[in-house]
Amino acid sequence: EDKVVQSPLSLVVHEGDTVTLNCSYEVTNFRSLLWYKQEKKAPTFLFMLTSSGIEKKSGRLSSILDKKELSSILNITATQTGDSAIYLCAVEKGSGNTGKLIFGQGTTLQVKP
Amino acid sequence: DAGITQSPRHKVTETGTPVTLRCHQTENHRYMYWYRQDPGHGLRLIHYSYGVKDTDKGEVSDGYSVSRSKTEDFLLTLESATSSQTSVYFCAISPPNTDTQYFGPGTRLTVL
Repeated sequence: EDKVVQSPLSLVVHEGDTVTLNCSYEVTNFRSLLWYKQEKKAPTFLFMLTSSGIEKKSGRLSSILDKKELSSILNITATQTGDSAIYLCAVEKGSGNTGKLIFGQGTTLQVKP
Repeated sequence: DAGITQSPRHKVTETGTPVTLRCHQTENHRYMYWYRQDPGHGLRLIHYSYGVKDTDKGEVSDGYSVSRSKTEDFLLTLESATSSQTSVYFCAISPPNTDTQYFGPGTRLTVL
């Protein structure tokens, strides 16, 4: 059975801290891995990773995929209260543009002032 | 914004009643999806569509049906709502030649 597992499930840090969120997967016909941020509304897209070892960066956020270890990490440096959210990892499987995403449970991040 | 709207945004209904949720896009994308989000489960795919009148099941399709008679609209129907279908429902669209999906604002459904 396909599954995506995120850890930790929740995390509380203080502003300025650096955090690392983990995502591991067991999915047949892997195509890509995506990270989303969800505040009190719809998930918003952060990164898509398809190649192992290539880091994607956007400001203080970065992510990398390790296909050998079937995992990905999302790093957030110099955290701010605005980073408080649920971070979702999803893996796309299949061929063609089926776009079937399998999501992990999410990591709830709380950043305290 | 990705040009996706969902209606209604909130709904309370009673067990056994039919419910239809609407997803509308202005992007003319071929692929559309319905997910439900529950605590501890992340998002789970209910049904998806790859064109007008072309739909397929996702991982939690039991108790749900969908229809797509126009490119811009994707309807999710609960034929006879149950309390286990209390959830937040998200619609998503996917631009061509990309694996990325963009989500609508969600519909919070409560079945009493």
